[in-house]
Amino acid sequence: QQQVKQSPQSLIVQKGGISIINCAYENTAFDYFPWYQQFPGKGPALLIAIRPDVSEKKEGRFTISFNKSAKQFSLHIMDSQPGDSATYFCAAFSGGSNYKLTFGKGTLLTVNP
Amino acid sequence: DAGVIQSPRHEVTEMGQEVTLRCKPISGHNSLFWYRQTMMRGLELLIYFNNNVPIDDSGMPEDRFSAKMPNASFSTLKIQPSEPRDSAVYFCASSLLGLTGELFFGEGSRLTVL
Repeated sequence: QQQVKQSPQSLIVQKGGISIINCAYENTAFDYFPWYQQFPGKGPALLIAIRPDVSEKKEGRFTISFNKSAKQFSLHIMDSQPGDSATYFCAAFSGGSNYKLTFGKGTLLTVNP
Repeated sequence: DAGVIQSPRHEVTEMGQEVTLRCKPISGHNSLFWYRQTMMRGLELLIYFNNNVPIDDSGMPEDRFSAKMPNASFSTLKIQPSEPRDSAVYFCASSLLGLTGELFFGEGSRLTVL
């Protein structure tokens, strides 16, 4: 059972455009929602994360929007640059004795110059 | 800090051979994770350790896979015997479990089983 559904699988955006990646989760026990960025030949690295008590978090050109009632969250990349071309994974985490970190299947983003 | 260190970076072997992947987590981290990444299945958690103790190995595909963490600074993932369907990139990650869901990944070991 896939607990975090991510879409689209791939995305092509022109330089300067907005990239939007969406995720939905099922388990209401999740309490931390990170996004990871992975470049070819590298391991995933934390990009930005949000807790469910806020609806939006912005770091530079990257923004997470969070809708707790709909159990959905999304990553927006403003002014997308060719250097943003990578695979992006959303994830959902619950800590403590019921530890669980579940990844979405990833979105391959290509930003054309 | 050197980050999570994995070896080998690339491994090509023949079906039936034993494969051992190695990982050195970030010093001070108390949890270590082994993930497998394929195009079809994405990132799959195989096993994770907390304070060197295996906590959840439900993701280990079958008995051919085994993982050990003899001390806080070293872990191995072994596949014996290997099969072509084991071909994937295997990532090790470490974290300070319980504080956040942030994992620090190594650069991965790309395994090809012929």
